[in-house]
Amino acid sequence: RKEVEQDPGPFNVPEGATVAFNCTYSNSASQSFFWYRQDCRKEPKLLMSVYSSGNEDGRFTAQLNRASQYISLLIRDSKLSDSATYLCVVNRRGGATNKLIFGTGTLLAVQP
Amino acid sequence: GAGVSQSPSNKVTEKGKDVELRCDPISGHTALYWYRQRLGQGLEFLIYFQGNSAPDKSGLPSDRFSAERTGESVSTLTIQRTQQEDSAVYLCASSAGLLSTFPSYEQYFGPGTRLTVT
Repeated sequence: RKEVEQDPGPFNVPEGATVAFNCTYSNSASQSFFWYRQDCRKEPKLLMSVYSSGNEDGRFTAQLNRASQYISLLIRDSKLSDSATYLCVVNRRGGATNKLIFGTGTLLAVQP
Repeated sequence: GAGVSQSPSNKVTEKGKDVELRCDPISGHTALYWYRQRLGQGLEFLIYFQGNSAPDKSGLPSDRFSAERTGESVSTLTIQRTQQEDSAVYLCASSAGLLSTFPSYEQYFGPGTRLTVT
């Protein structure tokens, strides 16, 4: 089983739709959580960090459920420019290690 | 400020040749990571450097792969006797490392080196 699991999609949604991505992680020692965005043939970039109490950044809302080891990302009022792959990322830190574990990503295609 | 840079941006090589990929991290970042991303696939962790600690090599797929880093600066990833399955984008990332606190673990990625083995 992969340490970070995501539905690969693709999610095809019309402009203006609300879309939600889910992610589960298997290592209960995971401490920090992020969503990265990767555009086609580009490098990943941080979209937002995920705080324990949940957090919102404009049209984007991230939630964390430590008990269920589950992370979500909600995108409201989808734009064409939101089309990308969304990577769920978990930080595992201990001793001399501070690693980010990446999910394989969920592909979002926003249609006009 | 300057981000993470990688060179070359593209490399085409013949099967069996050795290649060397270079990464220049963001100045002051103590942590440096190498990843591989095959076409249509997710990121595959290769190796992680943190300051002067022994590197975490747990992701290197075979002994044909090696990486070095001088202090907290440039890193090179070397692939010996390249095979066609080595074709991928090799991404380097740096972060503020162990001294950072959440949410400053952000990894900044370079644009990658696209390696094609013919």
